Formats: sequence, structure tokens, C-alpha cells
Amino acid sequence: DIQMTQSPSSLSASVGDRVTITCRASQGIRNDLGWYQQKSGKAPKRLIYAASNLQSGVPSRFSGSGSGTEFSLTISGLQPEDSATYYCLQHNSYPFTFGPGTRVDIK
Amino acid sequence: EVQVVESGGGLEQPGRSLRLSCEVSGFNFEDYGMHWVRQAPGKGLEWVSGIDYNSRSIGYADSVKGRFTISRDNARNFLYLQMNSLRPEDTAVYYCAKDMNHWLSSFDFRGQGTLVTVSS
Repeated sequence: DIQMTQSPSSLSASVGDRVTITCRASQGIRNDLGWYQQKSGKAPKRLIYAASNLQSGVPSRFSGSGSGTEFSLTISGLQPEDSATYYCLQHNSYPFTFGPGTRVDIK
Repeated sequence: EVQVVESGGGLEQPGRSLRLSCEVSGFNFEDYGMHWVRQAPGKGLEWVSGIDYNSRSIGYADSVKGRFTISRDNARNFLYLQMNSLRPEDTAVYYCAKDMNHWLSSFDFRGQGTLVTVSS
């Protein structure tokens, strides 16, 4: 099975900051990776698909990059409403696997 | 508008069975893969199972393989998850998710989930 790791596990940043979350796969997954945002008590929401494609309706301050085994999600200009937990997901091979999540708090 | 409504959750004893249902509308169900994802209380997301558009490709998490069965009824627009030999660690909110392709690939969540509690 492909294992996904994320770093950091949590972070605290100020409004307007640039924030980067990293996701690593235990083996190459091409660009078969998505990023999800989950706010407290809500269902997850996809932000990015195919590693770097922005989901329709998602603010352009979110961006994704990477291929193979290393990926990143960047929030350029953190907003109060971005306080959430962020997960990566690999869908290259069964079983699909999520990363453990990164909690983002606003200072 | 894509709509997904999960149902069938509840309290069940260890070793018993439950069947979850997911009724969809707003898109051609028969053209898309579908998934189940769960989240235990206070924990992260776990992909449980996925089924492609014509039920020929199916995958399961190691934690449920041999106990859970995913299926779909394209005529009625329903996705199912038959959960047998339930364990306390199966306690979670279960979400139904729509793939963006007919094969299994990236997916998104549209429902609010259904809570399954396994306890004696």
C-alpha cells in the first residue's frame, strides 16, 4: 500500500501569510493527488485535483504543485476562513490513501 | 445540482451488520465512479471503498476487506455499502463521494454523511 505523510502536522500563521503544506508518497504516484479542506463539523471539500488543478469555485490563493512522490499545497495570503484541516489523497492505486492531515490555525 | 444523501447509519452491536445507502441526483449516476470515505470521531479521513461506473473495478481498504461490500444500482441511482462483522473501530461518519471520471480517480464530497456507531 502507498503511505502518505504530511508536514507539518499543524501550524499557526497570521492573516496574509503564505503557508505551504507538504505531502509525500511512499512511492511514485505521478500526479494522482488531490488536496482537501475540512472545517470543523463539516464534510471535506476538494481544493485541488491532479496535483495542480484548482477546483472550480475555489479561491485562487490556493495552489498545488508536485509530481512523483513530493507535493505541496500553498495558500498565498491566508484568510480567517482558511482555518481548517487539510488532507492530501493519493488515487494512483488501491487502496487509495489519505495523509494524516495538517491543521491550520489563524494567529 | 449534484445531490448526495447518505442513510442507513445507526447504533449496532459488534459482529452485526448494517447496510448504508447513498441516493444521488443531479448527474448521470451511471457515468461516474463512486466512493465511500469514513472519519472516526476526532480522527482523519479514511478511504473505505470505491466502485467504477459499471462495477467492474472495485477497491477496498485493508481494514474492511472481506467484511464490507460496495455495490451500485445504476437504474435507481443508489450506491450501497454492506457492512458485516462490524467492529468498534468501524465507528465513524461515512461519506459517499462522486468521482470525476467513470473509472476510480479523484472525487469530491457532496453529502453530510451518516454516523455508524458500533458498540455493545
